[in-house]
Amino acid sequence: GENVEQHPSTLSVQEGDSAVIKCTYSDSASNYFPWYKQELGKRPQLIIDIRSNVGEKKDQRIAVTLNKTAKHFSLHITETQPEDSAVYFCAASNNMLTFGGGTRLMVKP
Amino acid sequence: GAGVSQSPRYKVTKRGQDVALRCDPISGHVSLYWYRQALGQGPEFLTYFNYEAQQDKSGLPNDRFSAERPEGSISTLTIQRTEQRDSAMYRCASSLGVTGMNTGELFFGEGSRLTVL
Repeated sequence: GENVEQHPSTLSVQEGDSAVIKCTYSDSASNYFPWYKQELGKRPQLIIDIRSNVGEKKDQRIAVTLNKTAKHFSLHITETQPEDSAVYFCAASNNMLTFGGGTRLMVKP
Repeated sequence: GAGVSQSPRYKVTKRGQDVALRCDPISGHVSLYWYRQALGQGPEFLTYFNYEAQQDKSGLPNDRFSAERPEGSISTLTIQRTEQRDSAMYRCASSLGVTGMNTGELFFGEGSRLTVL
């Protein structure tokens, strides 16, 4: 089955700086790669996703890149704000979604 | 409903008791998933359904765990003879499309927090 590794497990940045979270996956058949944000005590919610026929996707301050050859994908958040503080999960899917272990992002004002 | 609804939100039970966790997905959503999430960790896949058919139950930890979705809408996750290690947040999610053909956004419920004493 699919195995998703996520790094770093915690990330602390100053407000306004960029944050990068990286994930690797094992199943070359995976074709869908979403990112979820989970605030404390709340449910995970989708923030951006990318499919295997695209190398990069951007939505305002958030971008995701995918390298299928190397089987890794990354989340980039620019101009971070305190409200970006949360746990972020990457995931990979061929059939069902397999999640990474999460990255706790702390944005210091 | 407006979102994925799970009940009960909190369940405290004694070791050895059976528990049933209910999930009511977003109306019209074909796919339904069960995940287990330990504190500080990512959701761990348990099982999923397309319509009423259970497509994959490879994530169920053992035969004490079972799930059903008899009419293709509401689903129940049942844990028999609960053990302390079963304590976790159990999250249900639903998706509009058929999993495997056009995997899309999962909408998660608030979860059912199970505590086994």
